[in-house]
Amino acid sequence: RKEVEQDPGPFNVPEGATVAFNCTYSNSASQSFFWYRQDCRKEPKLLMSVYSSGNEDGRFTAQLNRASQYISLLIRDSKLSDSATYLCVVNRGGNDMRFGAGTRLTVKP
Amino acid sequence: DAGITQSPRYKITETGRQVTLMCHQTWSHSYMFWYRQDLGHGLRLIYYSAAADITDKGEVPDGYVVSRSKTENFPLTLESATRSQTSVYFCASSEGGEADTQYFGPGTRLTVL
Repeated sequence: RKEVEQDPGPFNVPEGATVAFNCTYSNSASQSFFWYRQDCRKEPKLLMSVYSSGNEDGRFTAQLNRASQYISLLIRDSKLSDSATYLCVVNRGGNDMRFGAGTRLTVKP
Repeated sequence: DAGITQSPRYKITETGRQVTLMCHQTWSHSYMFWYRQDLGHGLRLIYYSAAADITDKGEVPDGYVVSRSKTENFPLTLESATRSQTSVYFCASSEGGEADTQYFGPGTRLTVL
């Protein structure tokens, strides 16, 4: 079993839709959590950090449930430019980062 | 602001050859990382470095060697390349701290024939 598991996708949604991605992690000692975005054949870029209290950045909302070892990302009012692969990332401590395999999102007109 | 660069961007080599992938960052970040990305596995940490002359193994270090004599450079060497090392390799850097953002280079696509 992988240490970080994500929805396999792909998700194909129309513009304006709301879409949610889920992620679970197995190492209960994990310290910090992130969502990264990766465009096709490009490098990953930080989308947002994830905090226990939940956090929002414009149309994006991230949630963390430490008890269930579960992370989520909600995208509201999807745009064509949101099409990408979204990577769930967990820091086990000491900068030892573990990445999920990613969930691919395609937003269609 | 050059940021973080990798060279070469594309490399084809043969089994058994030594290959070195270069990574250079201009931010004076303390931490640097090497990942490989393969279909179905996501990114996997190979090695990381907290500072010059300090390196640590990640999740998949076997077959790789790193060094960090200068803060800005973090080369990755495949001492004897194997077909299973065909992958996309990403270098990253961060200022430090576990909650800190990692900034990735553009990647090197390595094919081992």
